[in-house]
Amino acid sequence: KAGVTQTPRYLIKTRGQQVTLSCSPISGHRSVSWYQQTPGQGLQFLFEYFSETQRNKGNFPGRFSGRQFSNSRSEMNVSTLELGDSALYLCASSTGTGSGYTFGSGTRLTVV
Amino acid sequence: GENVGLHLPTLSVQEGDNSIINCAYSNSASDYFIWYKQESGKGPQFIIDIRSNMDKRQGQRVTVLLNKTVKHLSLQIAATQPGDSAVYFCAENPYNAGNNRKLIWGLGTSLAVNP
Repeated sequence: KAGVTQTPRYLIKTRGQQVTLSCSPISGHRSVSWYQQTPGQGLQFLFEYFSETQRNKGNFPGRFSGRQFSNSRSEMNVSTLELGDSALYLCASSTGTGSGYTFGSGTRLTVV
Repeated sequence: GENVGLHLPTLSVQEGDNSIINCAYSNSASDYFIWYKQESGKGPQFIIDIRSNMDKRQGQRVTVLLNKTVKHLSLQIAATQPGDSAVYFCAENPYNAGNNRKLIWGLGTSLAVNP
């Protein structure tokens, strides 16, 4: 079956702009988790959506938000971009039972 | 070769040698642990997992050992190959009521395999 698809793969934005990233999970998976990965901080959990509801949230400011659609596809949005938001954003798809996480290849966001 | 710690260290081994990557986890309530491999430009890829009711699990060329007494996890790679060069992450999944879980990640260990 198809893997986890993240779009776009690369993105360059200017400070102050906003950005929307997309993640299509594995068919049948109802949970999508989002992570920010930077060289200095490693993998940082942003939030998890399950059946269109956010059921877990990390310690990121309100500029980071997300949503999930009825087909389990998820989007995350970052408003008022800052230089420090430059990172690889990864989503992980799972059935939602606490195991079996499959990651996408990520979206590389560069804020200039 | 062997390495310890959650800060991103680099482990360098010769092709054909065995590699041991270590991880100290933080939460005694964690009951599920996963090892991931991340190659440059790709997302993390699942390698092997283990539940807290086990202390050892083997896969193809990989073995995970769990020591709950000292909250330590290790990944052993047998006959390391150049294709094993990557950053390896351990992740723990603390038990919460129901299915409300989130993975806690180590910072990773970079494995470099010399031909």
